Amino acid sequence: GAGVSQSPSNKVTEKGKDVELRCDPISGHTALYWYRQRLGQGLEFLIYFQGNSAPDKSGLPSDRFSAERTGESVSTLTIQRTQQEDSAVYLCASSLEIRGAEAFFGQGTRLTVV
Amino acid sequence: KNQVEQSPQSLIILEGKNCTLQCNYTVSPFSNLRWYKQDTGRGPVSLTIMTFSENTKSNGRYTATLDADTKQSSLHITASQLSDSASYICVVSGGGSYIPTFGRGTSLIVHP
Repeated sequence: GAGVSQSPSNKVTEKGKDVELRCDPISGHTALYWYRQRLGQGLEFLIYFQGNSAPDKSGLPSDRFSAERTGESVSTLTIQRTQQEDSAVYLCASSLEIRGAEAFFGQGTRLTVV
Repeated sequence: KNQVEQSPQSLIILEGKNCTLQCNYTVSPFSNLRWYKQDTGRGPVSLTIMTFSENTKSNGRYTATLDADTKQSSLHITASQLSDSASYICVVSGGGSYIPTFGRGTSLIVHP
C-alpha cells in the first residue's frame, strides 16, 4: 500500500493477556517509530528502529513492552500481561531516514484493556 | 533537555475566523520544525516543515513562521473551516537525538 498500515485498528483485551500490534511501514523507509497516545494526551515516544535495529529502548514504559522489526519492514509491538493503564492508541510512523525526515503515520491501533 | 511547549492547549473559534497557534522549543542544535495536523481517530499528517533559514512557509490557508533566534514558531490558520477542527502538533528535530521532540498539541475546535 501507499501508506503506513497498522493492524488491528481496534483491540479489546482482558487484563493479564498478551497483545501484539503490527505495523507495515512505507516500502523503503529505513526508520520506524512507535508512539503511545493516551486519551486527550500528546504522543509519547516508545521506541524507534533504524533498519532492524532498535538503538534506544529507554522509551518503553516497562519490561512488559517489547518490539521487533524484520526485513527492514514489518514491526510488531508486544505487550505482555496487559494492564488497564496500557489502554491507549498506539501509533506507528515511518520515514526515509532517521534524521529529521518527514514521518508518515499509520491510523493507529486503539487498545482497550478491560 | 529537549522540550516543545505549545499554546494554547485548546482553542474554540467560529468558522471563517483566523487563529494563531504557538510553539516554543528548547531543542538545540536545531534541525527542523514541523507542524502536524491530527484529526480525531487518525494519525498525524505533516502540514509544513521549516529549516533554520526559513522564516515563513505557507500551505494553502496554513502559514507557519519560525524565529530561530527566539526558538519560537507559529501556525496561522486563515478563514477557518469546520474541517480544521483537529489537534495541531509542533515537532522539532535536532538536539543531538534521532528522536524528534513532540509538543502536546493544541486542540482546535471550529464551530459553525
